[in-house]
Amino acid sequence: GDSVTQTEGLVTLTKGLPVMLNCTYQTTYSPFLFWYVQHLNEAPKLLLKSSTDNKRTEHQGFYATLHKSSSSFHLQKSSVQLSDSALYFCALSSNYNVLYFGSGTKLTVEP
Amino acid sequence: ETAVFQTPNYHVTQVGNEVSFNCKQTLGHDTMYWYKQDSKKLLKIMFSYNNKQLIVNETVPRRFSPQSSDKAHLNLRIKSVEPEDSAVYLCASSSGGAQDTQYFGPGTRLLVL
Repeated sequence: GDSVTQTEGLVTLTKGLPVMLNCTYQTTYSPFLFWYVQHLNEAPKLLLKSSTDNKRTEHQGFYATLHKSSSSFHLQKSSVQLSDSALYFCALSSNYNVLYFGSGTKLTVEP
Repeated sequence: ETAVFQTPNYHVTQVGNEVSFNCKQTLGHDTMYWYKQDSKKLLKIMFSYNNKQLIVNETVPRRFSPQSSDKAHLNLRIKSVEPEDSAVYLCASSSGGAQDTQYFGPGTRLLVL
């Protein structure tokens, strides 16, 4: 069945450093991948999404490229800020258009 | 700007009681969803509805029953709550396509004592 794997549960970085959060997926259908961000006690919100192979998509300084050959959709940012501290979920849209989420990565940015 | 509304924000109850949660969206979407976020923050789909019709039931226990009066409303009833039902229940809506963004409500936090 459809599934998403996020390997880092916790990532702690100093402000200004780059970050990459890993996401790989499994599906037998054409993949639609999403990154959602959830700040403390808030609802998850879309950060970015893609279904186009090898095309970089960007939003709010974050970027990701869907690579169908490696079934990956890693999230990156060149310089993290304190406000980026949050829970980040990678998600796959299934054949029935529901989202299958990875286990999430908690990003903590320190001064 | 909130466009998916959930009530109540928080509910405490005892094992065996019945609870109901409400969700309303003002985005004009055809599809609505219930997700469960557990204490480890894992997010899992429970149900999806398209224009009042159940589309997906992701092997949820029978004590959970969604109800939709129109495409803007999707409620969730739990007939006899158990301790493992303690979680945040998130409602979402979208236009229904695989690449359409899902917009989430603030959630209802349920604590079962």
